[in-house]
Amino acid sequence: GESVGLHLPTLSVQEGDNSIINCAYSNSASDYFIWYKQESGKGPQFIIDIRSNMDKRQGQRVTVLLNKTVKHLSLQIAATQPGDSAVYFCAENIQGAQKLVFGQGTRLTINP
Amino acid sequence: DTGVSQDPRHKITKRGQNVTFRCDPISEHNRLYWYRQTLGQGPEFLTYFQNEAQLEKSRLLSDRFSAERPKGSFSTLEIQRTEQGDSAMYLCASRGLAGKGAGELFFGEGSRLTVL
Repeated sequence: GESVGLHLPTLSVQEGDNSIINCAYSNSASDYFIWYKQESGKGPQFIIDIRSNMDKRQGQRVTVLLNKTVKHLSLQIAATQPGDSAVYFCAENIQGAQKLVFGQGTRLTINP
Repeated sequence: DTGVSQDPRHKITKRGQNVTFRCDPISEHNRLYWYRQTLGQGPEFLTYFQNEAQLEKSRLLSDRFSAERPKGSFSTLEIQRTEQGDSAMYLCASRGLAGKGAGELFFGEGSRLTVL
């Protein structure tokens, strides 16, 4: 079916450490993936995206890795800061469709 | 602010009442989406407009729900005879021109509905 899921509902890391948030997707026809960050009471905010013809993309302090063989997506956040505390969602766009399908989210907590 | 704006941000209503939410997308975006988000869950797709045409509706959108985008600019989402299960955050998002392919959705801050 068209669903996107996450391996862990919560993740706690020490400030300054790297964070890795994982996502599994099920639709091999998905051609575009996005990571969103959502802070409490706010709408989802774009972090980084990747198209299916790529396996890695880097932004500022963030890297997205795509493994199409096992339908796995990950978000790596370097030197995690308190402001990174939020719920992170992966979303997929199925080729030919117009909507994004979201997973359930991982809550990232930063320990001082 | 040229982002997606939603109004009202919060709405508390009694069961059985009607509510309407408004969304103003980014002006150059012709694709507009409504999503619903309940606590601890990811956003769930409700409906999609390209210009003024409503091109897709989720089965989540019961006959008590209606969405419009009459002039291809702002959109409204109306819920009639609200039920407690309608309590959720209603998110609006917009996307660039159709034909440009997939791209990020720009979300508004959402309209939180509480049905008592």
